[in-house]
Amino acid sequence: ETGVTQTPRHLVMGMTNKKSLKCEQHLGHNAMYWYKQSAKKPLELMFVYNFKEQTENNSVPSRFSPECPNSSHLFLHLHTLQPEDSALYLCASSQTGTANGELFFGEGSRLTVL
Amino acid sequence: AQKVTQAQTEISVVEKEDVTLDCVYETRDTTYYLFWYKQPPSGELVFLIRRNSFDEQNEISGRYSWNFQKSTSSFNFTITASQVVDSAVYFCALSATGGNTGKLIFGQGTTLQVKP
Repeated sequence: ETGVTQTPRHLVMGMTNKKSLKCEQHLGHNAMYWYKQSAKKPLELMFVYNFKEQTENNSVPSRFSPECPNSSHLFLHLHTLQPEDSALYLCASSQTGTANGELFFGEGSRLTVL
Repeated sequence: AQKVTQAQTEISVVEKEDVTLDCVYETRDTTYYLFWYKQPPSGELVFLIRRNSFDEQNEISGRYSWNFQKSTSSFNFTITASQVVDSAVYFCALSATGGNTGKLIFGQGTTLQVKP
């Protein structure tokens, strides 16, 4: 059982819909991340949160809106998306300050925008 | 600029064969960290190894071994006596601002298929 849980696992939405992706980590970590994995492209970092504060926004379009209410939960709110936003969205967590630097990933939310 | 290149898009081997996955990186930083992750069909990325730029010792963990060579900016991954369960996408990644920030730059990934 993964320590990082993402829901929903699959999501199909129209370009005018509003939906949200949810991530929860049960590892006691204090940093959480959203990554985007598109076909034929490397994983791209989208957002980083440390202790609930956003510390990185990798030039992500405003139609993606993250929310981190606490160190265990991370959301990605989606609105007016484009078909090219279809991808696997991966959430990860880590314990900042450790020597390992290991990221723990969830299984991802597969998003299809019609 | 920082970049990670995994030139092999797909590799197919027969079970028990050895296989090496190549990774070449570019960075101007003197302190950096390199990673390998495995992504099985279920989707989550599984951490395999982290090395810092000052430690060029090769590492072996069971059937897995890693060859880090700064002179060629390479961090190759070898699986000995491959098994069907090794079938997955493998990603090499680079982090330059400390190894614990999560700001990893990933390669394109190599899909490994191990046939019975």
